[in-house]
Amino acid sequence: TQLLEQSPQFLSIQEGENLTVYCNSSSVFSSLQWYRQEPGEGPVLLVTVVTGGEVKKLKRLTFQFGDARKDSSLHITAAQPGDTGLYLCAGKESGSGAGSYQLTFGKGTKLSVIP
Amino acid sequence: KAGVTQTPRYLIKTRGQQVTLSCSPISGHRSVSWYQQTPGQGLQFLFEYFSETQRNKGNFPGRFSGRQFSNSRSEMNVSTLELGDSALYLCASSVSADTQYFGPGTRLTVL
Repeated sequence: TQLLEQSPQFLSIQEGENLTVYCNSSSVFSSLQWYRQEPGEGPVLLVTVVTGGEVKKLKRLTFQFGDARKDSSLHITAAQPGDTGLYLCAGKESGSGAGSYQLTFGKGTKLSVIP
Repeated sequence: KAGVTQTPRYLIKTRGQQVTLSCSPISGHRSVSWYQQTPGQGLQFLFEYFSETQRNKGNFPGRFSGRQFSNSRSEMNVSTLELGDSALYLCASSVSADTQYFGPGTRLTVL
């Protein structure tokens, strides 16, 4: 059973459209991160959210952490071809220990933005 | 500041062989984590080292091992390679769980 479920798995949209990607779990996370990964490269950290209900904006990207810290969403406004990539959510489970840096990853959402 | 570097970037091995992958973290980062990424399973945690000690281990067989040196550089070793070990192996360095920086990965193909 995947601890973090991401949906949709694949998304193909036209340039200029809006989209939302979801990351859900039955577990509580002390923090949650979103990464973007391009083919042949490692994931690049976009944002970290740590407070339930927190909303963070990064240009056209809006990230939200659920009130119960079990879910998160990523919304992209007016998508551009440069947004194409694999979007991954990852979290550190509450109670996993302050000394643990282990992250649990979702399987990702593969986004294609067509010009 | 230089990022995380991993060597080699690509590797082709045959079943039964062993392989060693290397990771140099960002200067000052004492934690190094290793992940295996496959299309079917996504990113799965292998292990984490902090100040030369393994602090955490994922659910992988004993064929997967690692170590960290006094300069924080880390290596992981896979012995008796199987076809299913073909994957992108990613290393991440960090100063906290909330901020991890990944290297470009080593693409391992087992024939």
